[in-house]
Amino acid sequence: EPEVTQTPSHQVTQMGQEVILRCVPISNHLYFYWYRQILGQKVEFLVSFYNNEISEKSEIFDDQFSVERPDGSNFTLKIRSTKLEDSAMYFCASKESGRPTNEQFFGPGTRLTVL
Amino acid sequence: QKEVEQDPGPLSVPEGAIVSLNCTYSNSAFQYFMWYRQYSRKGPELLMYTYSSGNKEDGRFTAQVDKSSKYISLFIRDSQPSDSATYLCAMIGNYQLIWGAGTKLIIKP
Repeated sequence: EPEVTQTPSHQVTQMGQEVILRCVPISNHLYFYWYRQILGQKVEFLVSFYNNEISEKSEIFDDQFSVERPDGSNFTLKIRSTKLEDSAMYFCASKESGRPTNEQFFGPGTRLTVL
Repeated sequence: QKEVEQDPGPLSVPEGAIVSLNCTYSNSAFQYFMWYRQYSRKGPELLMYTYSSGNKEDGRFTAQVDKSSKYISLFIRDSQPSDSATYLCAMIGNYQLIWGAGTKLIIKP
């Protein structure tokens, strides 16, 4: 069964460093998302991506964040200068079409720890 | 007022019990309501979605929406230890998924 994959599973970095979180969405999906979940808190929407551009982004997704689909398979989230409060689980999701009820499939997440 | 409120639990029940999980919301524009299940160290997986008010049943799971009260529920019948997970409600607003905090459910054998 196709699934969304994410690497690495755990990333530890120093404050101020750049990190890139990688996702491989399901191959025929067209819509891509990043979410984060700070430990003990709710899942928060970061950004959605379609047709090689950002379609929606939240207030969390400031200038320190960027997304890219560098090739036909990967979807990356870059944090330019990490802060302690960026420590969280980051989930990538993809879905096949734009219908609201179309299921988003989630990856297993990358745990980011900023020291 | 938070857009979506959900009791984080934990909710602990014996195997075989009927489980009731609930969320309330404040935005009357929400029309699509989802329930996700999240196991430890895993991403959320969609269990059920409903559109507008009413009930929807899928096996042991029933999702219920009451738009007049801005209240949604997920019922699990004949609960199993494998149902132990965090259950998150989510709603679509402004083309984004708005999430509840998740309720941790523990089914005791």
